[in-house]
Amino acid sequence: GENVEQHPSTLSVQEGDSAVIKCTYSDSASNYFPWYKQELGKRPQLIIDIRSNVGEKKDQRIAVTLNKTAKHFSLHITETQPEDSAVYFCAARGPWGGRRALTFGSGTRLQVQP
Amino acid sequence: DTAVSQTPKYLVTQMGNDKSIKCEQNLGHDTMYWYKQDSKKFLKIMFSYNNKELIINETVPNRFSPKSPDKAHLNLHINSLELGDSAVYFCASSHWEAKNTEAFFGQGTRLTVV
Repeated sequence: GENVEQHPSTLSVQEGDSAVIKCTYSDSASNYFPWYKQELGKRPQLIIDIRSNVGEKKDQRIAVTLNKTAKHFSLHITETQPEDSAVYFCAARGPWGGRRALTFGSGTRLQVQP
Repeated sequence: DTAVSQTPKYLVTQMGNDKSIKCEQNLGHDTMYWYKQDSKKFLKIMFSYNNKELIINETVPNRFSPKSPDKAHLNLHINSLELGDSAVYFCASSHWEAKNTEAFFGQGTRLTVV
């Protein structure tokens, strides 16, 4: 099955700096890569996603890049703010007929210092 | 007008008991999931149902049994609870087809087995 690795496990940045989180996946058939943000005690919520036919996607301060050849994708947050502090999860999903659930990375705890 | 709702939010019970967690979605999705999030925040798929049919049954003890009475509901029943079952259980739902694949999560059920 799919295996998703995520780095780093913790990341501390100063407010206003950029943050980058990286993930690799194992199954070249995976074609959908979402990123979820989970605040303390809350549910994971989608912040951005990218499909395998796109190399980059941007939404205000958040961008995601995908390198299909290398099988890795990254989340970039610019001008970080204290409210960006949370756990971020990358995930991958395949097109297989019977396997549509997301496989998640292990999470990155982002701390933005004011 | 909550999209994916789970009950209860908190569940404290003794070892050996049987308990159920309920999940309902009003998004018109045809696929529902149960994920387990352990103390280290790992999010792992347990079950996936598409149109009331079990699609994924990961390596989960058979003490866990999902039940989908209709497309909008997916309940999780756990028999003979063990200490190691303590975790946060998230229900989620999505569309099966690729066009709109965002998975929406419920608020989670924090299960504590004492």
